Amino acid sequence: GAGVSQSPSNKVTEKGKDVELRCDPISGHTALYWYRQSLGQGLEFLIYFQGNSAPDKSGLPSDRFSAERTGGSVSTLTIQRTQQEDSAVYLCASSSSRPGYTFGSGTRLTVV
Amino acid sequence: AQSVTQPDIHITVSEGASLELRCNYSYGATPYLFWYVQSPGQGLQLLLKYFSGDTLVQGIKGFEAEFKRSQSSFNLRKPSVHWSDAAEYFCAVAPNQAGTALIFGKGTTLSVSS
Repeated sequence: GAGVSQSPSNKVTEKGKDVELRCDPISGHTALYWYRQSLGQGLEFLIYFQGNSAPDKSGLPSDRFSAERTGGSVSTLTIQRTQQEDSAVYLCASSSSRPGYTFGSGTRLTVV
Repeated sequence: AQSVTQPDIHITVSEGASLELRCNYSYGATPYLFWYVQSPGQGLQLLLKYFSGDTLVQGIKGFEAEFKRSQSSFNLRKPSVHWSDAAEYFCAVAPNQAGTALIFGKGTTLSVSS
């Protein structure tokens, strides 16, 4: 597609439920990144996929968070047993061979 | 470890006045450097980037930034601010190699007064 597409744009979930957030990167971009943006906290790196290499999961805050990227394209970020502190905007970005991302518009997650 | 500092959390500038947003980084070598802008409810848009070469970089929307190695800084400037520039601005760095995650500063919120 022309840009990075994220869905849903908004998600309200009950505490303890699992959620899946989807990212469809720009066609041909080999790198895909997930970030979390909390109020006043800037952007927190979560996970990074580069081609067929093992993902860099160093930013995942707990084992409740996981992500996969199927066929080197679409990625899904899964949060299990959501907590209120998981409420944030989750941003996906993709890039080609050099740094400099294109971001999606994000998914605003609210855990109630 | 790499880090990015944006010392100003919130800045207010009069419309038509000049703007400078500060960014300092901590990294052993010259990193790749970026500025992004985020309008309310929107994703991040790349304003400009520095990889190498001329230390004064021109971006979109009339913004420019200057890389100063001696000061480990990459400050963003605009000679005349417009009301539509009100947004949050993020500085980011990445190691000088392909395919690595960007490290972002905490952002500076710009308000524009009339």
